[in-house]
Amino acid sequence: KAGVTQTPRYLIKTRGQQVTLSCSPISGHRSVSWYQQTPGQGLQFLFEYFSETQRNKGNFPGRFSGRQFSNSRSEMNVSTLELGDSALYLCASSPHGQFSGNTIYFGEGSWLTVV
Amino acid sequence: GQQLNQSPQSMFIQEGEDVSMNCTSSSIFNTWLWYKQDPGEGPVLLIALYKAGELTSNGRLTAQFGITRKDSFLNISASIPSDVGIYFCAGQSFNEDQLIWGAGTKLIIKP
Repeated sequence: KAGVTQTPRYLIKTRGQQVTLSCSPISGHRSVSWYQQTPGQGLQFLFEYFSETQRNKGNFPGRFSGRQFSNSRSEMNVSTLELGDSALYLCASSPHGQFSGNTIYFGEGSWLTVV
Repeated sequence: GQQLNQSPQSMFIQEGEDVSMNCTSSSIFNTWLWYKQDPGEGPVLLIALYKAGELTSNGRLTAQFGITRKDSFLNISASIPSDVGIYFCAGQSFNEDQLIWGAGTKLIIKP
């Protein structure tokens, strides 16, 4: 069965612009989590969506937002981009979400470069 | 908040050597997960552990859920060049609703 699909794979944006990243989870998975990973850093949790509701949120400013659709696909948006937002953005899906101890499966990520 | 201490931060090893890394938490966990991330890719699940004392293998990889429930170990036997990458541990405790992540162990094989 298909894995987690993230689009676009690579993109370059200018400071002040906004960006939308998309994630299609594994079929049947209802939870989607987003992470930011900067070079040489670990995984920083952004938020988790389950059945179209945000269930958890990390310590990121309000410029970072997300949503989930009825088919479980998710988007994350970053407004007013800053240079420090340059990172690999990872999406992960799981059947029932992180709270139940489910394992999560990652996509290949979207590389965002802000210039 | 909870923290995971993953060590070592990086390792330089010779091909064929065995590798060990570990994660310790400040509280009791009920789930431990180990992932590997290749450069430019998303992390891939290696081993999942759900029971204290559990020892699980995946090829040359073996991971253990510590009996104190506050630590986990990953061993790689007879390392090969494709083992290079960053290994992450992640855990979850009973009263938390999200995974806690280690900072990663970067494995580098000496030429």
